Amino acid sequence: SQQGEEDPQALSIQEGENATMNCSYKTSINNLQWYRQNSGRGLVHLILIRSNEREKHSGRLRVTLDTSKKSSSLLITASRAADTASYFCATDANDYKLSFGAGTTVTVRA
Amino acid sequence: NAGVTQTPKFQVLKTGQSMTLQCAQDMNHNSMYWYRQDPGMGLRLIYYSASEGTTDKGEVPNGYNVSRLNKREFSLRLESAAPSQTSVYFCASSEAGTSGIETQYFGPGTRLLVL
Repeated sequence: SQQGEEDPQALSIQEGENATMNCSYKTSINNLQWYRQNSGRGLVHLILIRSNEREKHSGRLRVTLDTSKKSSSLLITASRAADTASYFCATDANDYKLSFGAGTTVTVRA
Repeated sequence: NAGVTQTPKFQVLKTGQSMTLQCAQDMNHNSMYWYRQDPGMGLRLIYYSASEGTTDKGEVPNGYNVSRLNKREFSLRLESAAPSQTSVYFCASSEAGTSGIETQYFGPGTRLLVL
């Protein structure tokens, strides 16, 4: 079964707006990662946050992790058309593999 | 530096046929993975190899076999293809750090249609 679940399933925003998506998971983790997938392509790693970290930034991306609530959020600021993609969270639960959620599909309207 | 490569890109099989999906990485990673992606399901792990010489079942291993040929190559075999195996297959590789799995690097995928 999938460890992580993203919310919402789909998100449509105007260019320049911020996009926020959430991920909830069930068991304790070593780290949590976010990936992006453009239509018809493989996944690309965006950011990794470790269990002892609470917030991390990378360019226009901001990720938070709340291990007490077993949840994470990904914020994309000042969105662009190129941010149109599916976004997946993946958790490492200390068993040598990642578990992926079903993803959030983000559409950025020009 | 090609990263993770997969062959073939597309394949159409008839029910009962067999085929092998090939994957190779040039990043000297210890761990390699095979996933399948179906619409609305995200990625599900089929098999993984934590290091050369070891393989383990993931979430959906039935109907598949794998071979970790060497550190670079990890192949996935369908012995008798079924329509339920129609999917997009992704190979990935990563290092396993001291505090968990590091970034996974994905190949471009193989689109498989079983008729």
